[in-house]
Amino acid sequence: AQSVTQLDSQVPVFEEAPVELRCNYSSSVSVYLFWYVQYPNQGLQLLLKYLSGSTLVESINGFEAEFNKSQTSFHLRKPSVHISDTAEYFCAVSEYGKLTFGQGTILTVHP
Amino acid sequence: SQTIHQWPATLVQPVGSPLSLECTVEGTSNPNLYWYRQAAGRGLQLLFYSVGIGQISSEVPQNLSASRPQDRQFILSSKKLLLSDSGFYLCAWNSLRSNTGELFFGEGSRLTVL
Repeated sequence: AQSVTQLDSQVPVFEEAPVELRCNYSSSVSVYLFWYVQYPNQGLQLLLKYLSGSTLVESINGFEAEFNKSQTSFHLRKPSVHISDTAEYFCAVSEYGKLTFGQGTILTVHP
Repeated sequence: SQTIHQWPATLVQPVGSPLSLECTVEGTSNPNLYWYRQAAGRGLQLLFYSVGIGQISSEVPQNLSASRPQDRQFILSSKKLLLSDSGFYLCAWNSLRSNTGELFFGEGSRLTVL
């Protein structure tokens, strides 16, 4: 069965600094990978996903994630964060159509 | 396009009272439907999922139950709430026809049991 580990429960950064949210997964088969974002008191929104093709995927608001099959990782990065990026981020892996979530990483961007 | 709505958005209930949270999906048919709970610092916990009308699978034993009376309606219920039922409840759907498993979430319902 698949599992997902988000290595940091909380990540504080200053505005305009780069950030990396780490995600590792375990699975015995090919998987699909997702990052979701949750703003306070809201549902989860899809940020980006890897299904196939290029291992580097990007979101419309400047985040990117790279699928690394050998390291079974799907880390999320942004070169310069904004206050509005403050949220909780969930990594998820899909195996045979079943989604498993990590425990979440709370990103707090300070002015 | 598909939409998902859940209500109420916020609920404060006394211990021992009943609960009913509703979720409706529009713009698709035969969705898979899910109820998740978020308790503080505990990530997302899958409570129930349903692949069709009247078909409910429970992931964890608890004080809650779920029902699917119509194809696009999913209801989370309790006869008597406990303090530990407090949390943020999320309804989600995905398509049986999609093999990626991608989930689409509702806005969430915050339940406080006092």
